[in-house]
Parts: sequence; C-alpha cells; structure tokens
Amino acid sequence: GNSVTQMEGPVTLSEEAFLTINCTYTATGYPSLFWYVQYPGEGLQLLLKATKADDKGSNKGFEATYRKETTSFHLEKGSVQVSDSAVYFCALSDLYSSASKIIFGSGTRLSIRP
Amino acid sequence: NAGVTQTPKFRVLKTGQSMTLLCAQDMNHEYMYWYRQDPGMGLRLIHYSVGEGTTAKGEVPDGYNVSRLKKQNFLLGLESAAPSQTSVYFCASSHHRTSETYEQYFGPGTRLTVT
Repeated sequence: GNSVTQMEGPVTLSEEAFLTINCTYTATGYPSLFWYVQYPGEGLQLLLKATKADDKGSNKGFEATYRKETTSFHLEKGSVQVSDSAVYFCALSDLYSSASKIIFGSGTRLSIRP
Repeated sequence: NAGVTQTPKFRVLKTGQSMTLLCAQDMNHEYMYWYRQDPGMGLRLIHYSVGEGTTAKGEVPDGYNVSRLKKQNFLLGLESAAPSQTSVYFCASSHHRTSETYEQYFGPGTRLTVT
C-alpha cells in the first residue's frame, strides 16, 4: 500500500543553519506530495506541495522537489529561524481513494536555538 | 472565512462516558475527515465523509461513530470512552477529488483525555 517515511526527530539546529528533512514515499501511480507544518498548539497547515515529477514546491523559504526516480520529497531551507520551530509532516495524496485521502508520515519535530 | 472550526478545544472524560466533537467548515467543501494524532504515529484517519448524509470508515474507526447531516458539519461521537482514546483529534475538509491538489484544510484540534 501507499506509505510515507520521514526522518525521525527531534532535529535541533542553531538559527541560520541549513535544514534538510528527508522524506521518501511508496505509491502506485503519481500522487501529489505535500509538506504540512504544525506549530505548537495549532492544527496542520499546508506548507508546500508538488503535483508531478520534477515540480518544486516552495513557500516561506522552504523548498522540496518531487523526485520520481528516488521516490523522495526532501524539505530544505537555507537559513532557519527560531519561528520555524514546529512539527513537519510529509504526505501524499491517495490517487485511488474515493475521498481525496492523504497519507501522512509520522512527523519530524524541529527545534531552532537562538 | 473562519475555515475549519472545532468544538470543544479541550475535554476530560471518565471511562465509559460519551461525548460528541463538532467540526464545522464554511468553505463549501464536499469532503470532511476526522483524524487522531498520537505521539510518534502521525495522523490516522478515523472516519470520513464524501458528502452530506454519507460516511465511511478510515484506518482506525473502532469505538467512534460519525454523522454528516449538513454539508458544513461533521460530528464525531464516542459512545463509551476508553483511556486508549486519549488523543488530539483533528477535523479536516477538502474539495471534491477533481481538484488537482487534494489539499486538506485542518481545524485547530480537540485535546481529549480519558481517565
């Protein structure tokens, strides 16, 4: 079945460091891929998305490229800020679902030190 | 637009008690979902609905019931709460599957503790 695997946390970095959070997926066909972010005490928000191979999603300085050959969608940011501290979820859309279901990874907690 | 709202934000129940969580969305979305979030396990789908009057089971439906009497509301019920249902519950909604991105919009969550 479809699944998403992302690196375990927590990840702790200093402000202005480079960030990579790895995500790989298993899916039939060509799903859409997402990164969601959850700030403390809040619900999930869509951070970025990519709908086909080689697409790059970007938002708020974060980027991720849909790599079909490696079935990956790694999240990157060149210079993190304290305000980026949150839990990040990689996810894919289930193309064969009758209800646009999304399959989530287990989440990676990111903490940024001032 | 308020987006997706959830009521209540927090609740403590004793084992065996019942309660209903309410989700409302004002985006005219066809699809609605209930998830639970537990540490280290991401989000797991409990039940979902593809339209008014329809519901279906997700990944972890046991111990829960749902109803969608109006398009904008999706209710999650616990008939006899158990400590294993201690979790954070999220509601989400999305457009019909012909939308190219299948993006889901989430509510702020309900933190439920069962003692």
